[in-house]
Amino acid sequence: DAGVIQSPRHEVTEMGQEVTLRCKPISGHNSLFWYRQTMMRGLELLIYFNNNVPIDDSGMPEDRFSAKMPNASFSTLKIQPSEPRDSAVYFCASSGRDRGYEQYFGPGTRLTVT
Amino acid sequence: SQQGEEDPQALSIQEGENATMNCSYKTSINNLQWYRQNSGRGLVHLILIRSNEREKHSGRLRVTLDTSKKSSSLLITASRAADTASYFCATDTFGELIFGTGTRLQVFP
Repeated sequence: DAGVIQSPRHEVTEMGQEVTLRCKPISGHNSLFWYRQTMMRGLELLIYFNNNVPIDDSGMPEDRFSAKMPNASFSTLKIQPSEPRDSAVYFCASSGRDRGYEQYFGPGTRLTVT
Repeated sequence: SQQGEEDPQALSIQEGENATMNCSYKTSINNLQWYRQNSGRGLVHLILIRSNEREKHSGRLRVTLDTSKKSSSLLITASRAADTASYFCATDTFGELIFGTGTRLQVFP
C-alpha cells in the first residue's frame, strides 16, 4: 500500500490567492482527518470525515477554509483567500476505524503564504 | 486545544542509552497513543495502550499508563541515532484524538 498521499508537497503562494491541498487516503479506510501543524499551536485537527461525510469541522479556523470529500479515495482542503498566518504544514491522515484509534499520516504539504 | 503535555520538551542522549518521555493529560481517556515524527515528515503511529492496560511493549518501546495520575511514559531502550525525532502522545477523549506538544529527542552516535 502506498500510504496516504498528499499533493503538493510544497506550495508557495501570495496573499489573497486560492490554495487547494489534496489527499488520497489509504484504500479501505473510512475516516479521514485534516490537521495543521505550526510551531506556535502544535498539531490541530481541522476537520474529520467518516464515510465521506464531514462529522466535525469545529477546528476549521474560519470561513476561508473549506474541505470536501467527494468519494472514498479523495479529499481537498481549500483556503480562499489565503493569508500569511495560514502558513503551516497541513497533514492528511486516515484510519480504518473510528477517530479514536491509530491514524496513518501523509507526508504533509508545507504551505507558505507571502 | 491540546490535552497532552510531554516532558521533557527536549532530550539529548548518547546512542545505547535509554530515553524516557512522559505525558500528562487532563481528562478521562479511552486510550493513549504514541507517535513519532521525523523532521519534515508525517507522524507515524508507534503504540496504543487502552485505559484498562498498565503496560505495553513493542520491540524496544515500553509504554506505561497510570490513569490515577493521568500520565503515561514512553521508554526507548538501547537508543539509536535513527531514533532521533519528535515524539507525541495522543489521547482518545470521547472519540477525539488530541495530540500533545511533543518531546524532541536527539540521539548522538
